Amino acid sequence: QQQVKQSPQSLIVQKGGISIINCAYENTAFDYFPWYQQFPGKGPALLIAIRPDVSEKKEGRFTISFNKSAKQFSLHIMDSQPGDSATYFCAASRRNYGQNFVFGPGTRLSVLP
Amino acid sequence: EAQVTQNPRYLITVTGKKLTVTCSQNMNHEYMSWYRQDPGLGLRQIYYSMNVEVTDKGDVPEGYKVSRKEKRNFPLILESPSPNQTSLYFCASSLFDPGQAQETQYFGPGTRLLVL
Repeated sequence: QQQVKQSPQSLIVQKGGISIINCAYENTAFDYFPWYQQFPGKGPALLIAIRPDVSEKKEGRFTISFNKSAKQFSLHIMDSQPGDSATYFCAASRRNYGQNFVFGPGTRLSVLP
Repeated sequence: EAQVTQNPRYLITVTGKKLTVTCSQNMNHEYMSWYRQDPGLGLRQIYYSMNVEVTDKGDVPEGYKVSRKEKRNFPLILESPSPNQTSLYFCASSLFDPGQAQETQYFGPGTRLLVL
């Protein structure tokens, strides 16, 4: 029940296209769903996060869509750029209880120029 | 500048030789945590701390210890390292606020550990 599944494992998108990464969870007690971006040789960086009381959150070209009934959430990167090429991780946590984070295995995104 | 620092950045050691990886943050964050990152497995949380003297196990705590005597520091201790602890380790800190839609969170640059 602690697992977070993430797909696809890798993704290749043309510049200007839309990148979509999907995650699914089992534990309905999770109440915080962040996405992280990691460049080679660097630590992860928090990109955007959502709580289950909203179905969508947008920040610039990045949007999280959240489907509580399906226990799924996804990251959409609009107008993808070569600089977006990185590994993306979704995660889930019971933040209201200060509990630990569970991460998906990651998606390696390559945006072709 | 908001920062999480880790030392050392690279470490080669031998089985059984105790080691400590330090983590320090300058943002007065309550919440700190340690992760290990392995290919194909993503990040797995080892331990976390909600405040001084408050620590708890994450998903993979076996073989690790932590302490939180000061708010800014959260060292990771491997009492008797084994080869299966060869990994890339990240420390992170965040402002714990369950009321916020998005928390402020920072990761350190990572410590690459090789246990022979």
